[in-house]
Amino acid sequence: NAGVTQTPKFQVLKTGQSMTLQCAQDMNHNSMYWYRQDPGMGLRLIYYSASEGTTDKGEVPNGYNVSRLNKREFSLRLESAAPSQTSVYFCASSEAGTGVHGYTFGSGTRLTVV
Amino acid sequence: GDSVTQMEGPVTLSEEAFLTINCTYTATGYPSLFWYVQYPGEGLQLLLKATKADDKGSNKGFEATYRKETTSFHLEKGSVQVSDSAVYFCALSGSGGSNYKLTFGKGTLLTVNP
Repeated sequence: NAGVTQTPKFQVLKTGQSMTLQCAQDMNHNSMYWYRQDPGMGLRLIYYSASEGTTDKGEVPNGYNVSRLNKREFSLRLESAAPSQTSVYFCASSEAGTGVHGYTFGSGTRLTVV
Repeated sequence: GDSVTQMEGPVTLSEEAFLTINCTYTATGYPSLFWYVQYPGEGLQLLLKATKADDKGSNKGFEATYRKETTSFHLEKGSVQVSDSAVYFCALSGSGGSNYKLTFGKGTLLTVNP
């Protein structure tokens, strides 16, 4: 089925470890996004890529880096994980240049940092 | 900047009750407005949308009308079912240069009891 695929679905890290969350979409969307979801905070934008070859910071970028590998793939890297990064991470994609059509979301990665 | 305020939950209803979840927004220009739904353990799914003032979005018995004069986009359903239990997010897509980013409210948890 067409959509956004995130891996892994669950991950436990120790403080200071690094990891990369993977995201791929097969809808030929130009724009991709990483959000984190925390209780009582809703969804907060970490980084986004409006088009292949560009990335920009969102609302909460500290402690994260991203790579837009190609049009399909957008990865999120935690270089040195901290307990404050315990969260559910969602990747999303949308058609270029407009939010009229909204996003398509992946099913999320539940990350725990101990 | 853009912002979305939605009623805090949790909201608990009996089956067949009437549902209203309030959502108001602050944005410049003419944003598009969305409601997303998140079922337990899943990602967000687009429920309905409206792209201009006085538009009514509808899907699966849910409705919301874009009211520019009151900057509101309240979600309603005439008769809820147990299967409607989920978290509901109101969101907006800004106009102009930021029109590919969605700003979300904090979400409202709805529980429907048989």
